[in-house]
Amino acid sequence: AQKVTQAQTEISVVEKEDVTLDCVYETRDTTYYLFWYKQPPSGELVFLIRRNSFDEQNEISGRYSWNFQKSTSSFNFTITASQVVDSAVYFCALSEARNSGNTPLVFGKGTRLSVIA
Amino acid sequence: DSGVTQTPKHLITATGQRVTLRCSPRSGDLSVYWYQQSLDQGLQFLIQYYNGEERAKGNILERFSAQQFPDLHSELNLSSLELGDSALYFCASSVLSRTDTQYFGPGTRLTVL
Repeated sequence: AQKVTQAQTEISVVEKEDVTLDCVYETRDTTYYLFWYKQPPSGELVFLIRRNSFDEQNEISGRYSWNFQKSTSSFNFTITASQVVDSAVYFCALSEARNSGNTPLVFGKGTRLSVIA
Repeated sequence: DSGVTQTPKHLITATGQRVTLRCSPRSGDLSVYWYQQSLDQGLQFLIQYYNGEERAKGNILERFSAQQFPDLHSELNLSSLELGDSALYFCASSVLSRTDTQYFGPGTRLTVL
């Protein structure tokens, strides 16, 4: 069965600090996809990144970076030099690959990030 | 803007009532998913449709039903509403391929009084 664990319920940092959000997943499939979504106070879910299980290369996009390690079943998300606009709930999610299309997303409980000015 | 639209944005109703939530997927997306976000259950998958056919079912109550129409828009029907049905209901759409990404609409916030 699929499972995603985000052990950090809430994190509070001061602006310009770096922060890492942890995500640990469980799956029996060898081919799967991992995602991060952001939910700002306005409520919508914004897609940030998709990573497939065969690509362990870390990715950087501006102040955001992601570290995928299959050995520890983790897909952590780091925000460098955090800003107030980064305040949101961040969700990690997992989907398993099928020939007919991937399975629906299984989400973690989310981590609420508060960036204080 | 994800390109997925949902109406209404807010809905307030009473216990025992029935409501319909509407979703229009992104242009070109054939698959629609419905998710429920509540404080106690988090984000949970309810049901998926692909090109008009039900593709997968999650933790959807028997009081809830959905359908996808020929123009690919989808409706989620919630009946005999209970206080516990109060939640944020999201619709997402995707192309449905092995590398697809689900893009979410803004959600419908349902309050049952």
